[in-house]
Amino acid sequence: QKEVEQDPGPLSVPEGAIVSLNCTYSNSAFQYFMWYRQYSRKGPELLMYTYSSGNKEDGRFTAQVDKSSKYISLFIRDSQPSDSATYLCAMRYSGNTGKLIFGQGTTLQVKP
Amino acid sequence: DAGVIQSPRHEVTEMGQEVTLRCKPISGHDYLFWYRQTMMRGLELLIYFNNNVPIDDSGMPEDRFSAKMPNASFSTLKIQPSEPRDSAVYFCATSRAGSTGELFFGEGSRLTVL
Repeated sequence: QKEVEQDPGPLSVPEGAIVSLNCTYSNSAFQYFMWYRQYSRKGPELLMYTYSSGNKEDGRFTAQVDKSSKYISLFIRDSQPSDSATYLCAMRYSGNTGKLIFGQGTTLQVKP
Repeated sequence: DAGVIQSPRHEVTEMGQEVTLRCKPISGHDYLFWYRQTMMRGLELLIYFNNNVPIDDSGMPEDRFSAKMPNASFSTLKIQPSEPRDSAVYFCATSRAGSTGELFFGEGSRLTVL
């Protein structure tokens, strides 16, 4: 079993829809949770960062962490065609190694 | 800063040939990571360095793969001999100690082994 599981999709939605992306993980020692966005033929870029449990909002994006269920989510409100990309969840243990474990990534297409 | 710079961006080679991928990290970043991305397996960590010292190479698939970081400004990932199953996009990423641990990725080197 992988440490981090993420449905690869693809996920196709109409413009303006609310998008929900999810990851589950197996190791309760993970403390830092991130979402990266990767456009085609580019490297991933950090989108959202959360420490431990709770919610974090940034514009149209909301990240949620539920450590009791080992489940994290990314919500995109009023989705736009420019949101079309692959979204990767990532997490790491406490300490400062910087070593991130990534999910497989979910490919999202937002149709105009 | 120019960000993480990788070369070559694309490499097509034949099975059995040696492949060398290069990475110039962001100045001042203490950690350097090599990841491999495929459709089937996603983004896999191969090896990472801290202050030029290899810390964890448990993700290196086999002895055909080797990585070096001779100084703070340069790292290489070498595959010798290459095989078709090595075809993937290889990313170099760096981060700074004491930060949130955010990784800054290069644009990747797309390797095709025929």
